[in-house]
Amino acid sequence: QSVLTQPPSASGTPGQRVSISCSGSGSNIGSNPVNWYQQLPGTAPKLLIYSDNQRPSGVPDRFSGSRAGTSASLAINGLQSEDEGDYYCAAWDASLSGVVFGGGTKLTVL
Amino acid sequence: EVQLLESGGGLVQPGGSLRLSCAASGFTFSSYAMSWVRQAPGKGLEWVSGISSNGGSTYYADSVKGRFTISRDSSKNTLHLQMNSLRAEDTAVYYCAKTNKYTSGPLDYWGQGTLVTVSS
Repeated sequence: QSVLTQPPSASGTPGQRVSISCSGSGSNIGSNPVNWYQQLPGTAPKLLIYSDNQRPSGVPDRFSGSRAGTSASLAINGLQSEDEGDYYCAAWDASLSGVVFGGGTKLTVL
Repeated sequence: EVQLLESGGGLVQPGGSLRLSCAASGFTFSSYAMSWVRQAPGKGLEWVSGISSNGGSTYYADSVKGRFTISRDSSKNTLHLQMNSLRAEDTAVYYCAKTNKYTSGPLDYWGQGTLVTVSS
């Protein structure tokens, strides 16, 4: 059971907007920034969003993030077939003194 | 270009030991905290351990505390993970990851991973 809670799956058609939620507690999301990782099939994870809403160089602006209270959200606008994969939220947990991940959300592009 | 290359994975019996290494290049290794993250077959990501830029602070997931030891050799730009008393549930792909500065920061570069299989 993961410390951060994500829906196990999400889906959408090309061009649609999809949102993935991530729920935590005061010791992690409630007090530390959230990062999001994308893992495409057969590849290593890649940093997608950091510090709640910042995109690393090279990440399309179709991807955006937000945080409010003890929850965070990843939004993907203009869904594309190449976005299909697994998405993980993560944050530092002050009580555990470590990084905690969500269980991951498998995104399917219909 | 940042590169992280893990090595040392393999098949080990329950109760055995293994030492993973991660050779880093393309950045000033001694300036950044590093972490190990693992992924069991068909499962999600699990953070295992982190170490500060100067090696003075180390952090572990409860699942490996007391069994795994993280260390770094800045003279060789290499990160290590010594794994002892291995269990079947430690079977996973182990990724080495660089943080953007501190151990609590985002993991901005990842290696391709090395597979550890614990089985008799």
